[in-house]
Parts: sequence; structure tokens; C-alpha cells
Amino acid sequence: EVQLVESGGGLVQPGGSLRLSCAASGFTFSSYWMSWVRQAPGKGLEWVANIKQDGSEKYCVDSVKGRFTISRDNAKNSLYLQMNSLRAEDTAVYYCAREGVYLHDSSAYYYWGQGTLVTVSP
Amino acid sequence: DVVMTQSPLSLPVTLGQPASISCRSSQSLVYSDGNTYLNWFQQRPGQSPRRLIYRVSNRDSGVPDRFSGSGSGTDFTLKISRVEAEDVGVYYCMQGTHLYSFGQGTKLEIK
Repeated sequence: EVQLVESGGGLVQPGGSLRLSCAASGFTFSSYWMSWVRQAPGKGLEWVANIKQDGSEKYCVDSVKGRFTISRDNAKNSLYLQMNSLRAEDTAVYYCAREGVYLHDSSAYYYWGQGTLVTVSP
Repeated sequence: DVVMTQSPLSLPVTLGQPASISCRSSQSLVYSDGNTYLNWFQQRPGQSPRRLIYRVSNRDSGVPDRFSGSGSGTDFTLKISRVEAEDVGVYYCMQGTHLYSFGQGTKLEIK
């Protein structure tokens, strides 16, 4: 059974940093693109970033460029999101999601984690 | 960046009646491989998103056949033939042709 379990969320002050983790199991982690999607309280879904199997390609939404870094450790079956210079507008539930084997893949976004809440507030 | 625009944003529906959600993209979603990467998701209150439809019209396993997707190019539609109480939630379209982006969401409620 595919499982994605996020952790690392919490309360952080504006300008602070936080590192989110996503532990994957039930599939060959190193074979898939992985991504982060966020949802501000009461708002819609926003795609944040993704990373290729070997980490050689990464993409992110403009609003987090230069502040957030996506990474992975295939030996630990784990995905990470390092968030720096956090702002109030980064407050959201952050979901880990599995994409496909290819960047354009019909299996992408079938599996999601339960999310971890990040609150940026003084 | 591809902008996805859904309508309506709020959809009150009587139980047993049909429902339809429109999703329009700012660019064609046809990829160079000939496929159109347009998905639909359902998010029930307090839950993670659940994928319902992939590549415009393909239902995921376990999704009731009252859900159907259609469309092409830049115009897409999710239809529910007869709304049931368990269908309450927010529905999102998402394109995966030009990286990824979501529509604003359509909140379906029972009238």
C-alpha cells in the first residue's frame, strides 16, 4: 500500500525557516517524480515544487523561488522541502504527492499524504 | 504560466439532480505526445484531495460512474449525473501539460 506521511510543520515567525519531510513507503520511491502542493486555510490548492527521481531537475512556482528548496534522499525514501524567509502568506497545509515515472504521466497525483500544517505568525 | 479558470465557484445542487463544472485553461493542454493532461480532483471536508479523472475523461478505480469528464484543447467539463450526499466537497481541475496548476475550486453543496 502506498503511503506518504508528512512531518515537520509547526508555528514559525516571519523570516524564519522550517524543513518539511515526507516519508514514502509501498512503492519504489527512486522511480518517481515527487512534489509538494499547499493549501492556505479556506483556500484552494497551489502546486509548489517538484523533483525528478535523481534530483537533477527541479521546478517550483514563482512565489517560492529563491526561498524554498525541494530535495530528496532515495536511500531514506524521503522527500524534503526547506522553507526559508517564510512569510504570512506561506501559511498552509503542505501535501506531499507522488507524480509519475515521467514528467508527463497519467499516474501523477493519484497518491497524496495527509498534509502538515505550517503557520507563519509573530 | 497556465491559468486554470473554473465556473461556477459555488454549486448548490438538489440530491439526485445533475451537476456540471467548467474548467478553462489559458493555453491548450495538448502535449507533444498527443495526450491532454487534465485531471479532476475531489476534496471532501477535512480530507486530502482525491483524484477522480485523469487525462480528461478516464475515471480512476473506485470512482462511481456517475462522474464523467470531457473536453479538449482549453475547455473541459466534469459532470455528475445524479448528485449524492457523499459528493459534497470542493472540486478542482488541474493541468499537467505545462508543469502543474490548479483551478480555484468549485464548492458543491446540497440545496
